[in-house]
Amino acid sequence: DIQMTQSPSSLSASVGDRVTITCRASQGISNYLAWFQQKPGKAPKSLIYAASSLQSGVPSKFSGSGSGTDFTLTISSLQPEDFATYYCQQYSIYPLTFGGGTKVEI
Amino acid sequence: EVQLVESGGDLVQPGGSLRLSCAASGFTFSDYAMNWVRQAPGKGLAWLSYISSSSSTIYYADSVKGRFTIYRDNAKNSLYLQMNSLRAEDTAVYYCSRRSYSDSWGQGTLVTVSS
Repeated sequence: DIQMTQSPSSLSASVGDRVTITCRASQGISNYLAWFQQKPGKAPKSLIYAASSLQSGVPSKFSGSGSGTDFTLTISSLQPEDFATYYCQQYSIYPLTFGGGTKVEI
Repeated sequence: EVQLVESGGDLVQPGGSLRLSCAASGFTFSDYAMNWVRQAPGKGLAWLSYISSSSSTIYYADSVKGRFTIYRDNAKNSLYLQMNSLRAEDTAVYYCSRRSYSDSWGQGTLVTVSS
């Protein structure tokens, strides 16, 4: 199985900060990488697919990059509604696997 | 608007069975592959199973292989997860999602396995 390693597992940030989360795959997955945002008690929300394609309706402050084994999610200017847990997921090979999550806190 | 609505979650005893449903609307269900994903209390997301649009291709996570069965009824715009031989560690919120990269999710349904 492909292991997805996210870092950091948590981070503290302030409103207006630029935040970067990384995700590393244990083997190459081309660009078959998705990012999700989850708030407490809510279902995950798709942010990005194909490593860098923004899901419809997602604000452009979110961006993704990377290919192969190393990927990043960047939030350009953190707003109060962005405090949440973020997950990456590879969909190159089954079984699909998620990263452990990154909790973004104030 | 794409909508996915899960149902069927309940409290069940270890060794018991449960069937989850996911009702889809707002898109042509028969054109899309679907997944089940779960989240144990306080834990991360775990993919469970995938079914292609025509049901011709199905995959399972090792943790549920042989116990859970995914299937769909395209005429009813519905996805299902039959769960047998349930264990305490199956306690989780269960989500259905669309496409391999889960572009849409339901709100989830809670399954609690406990005596």
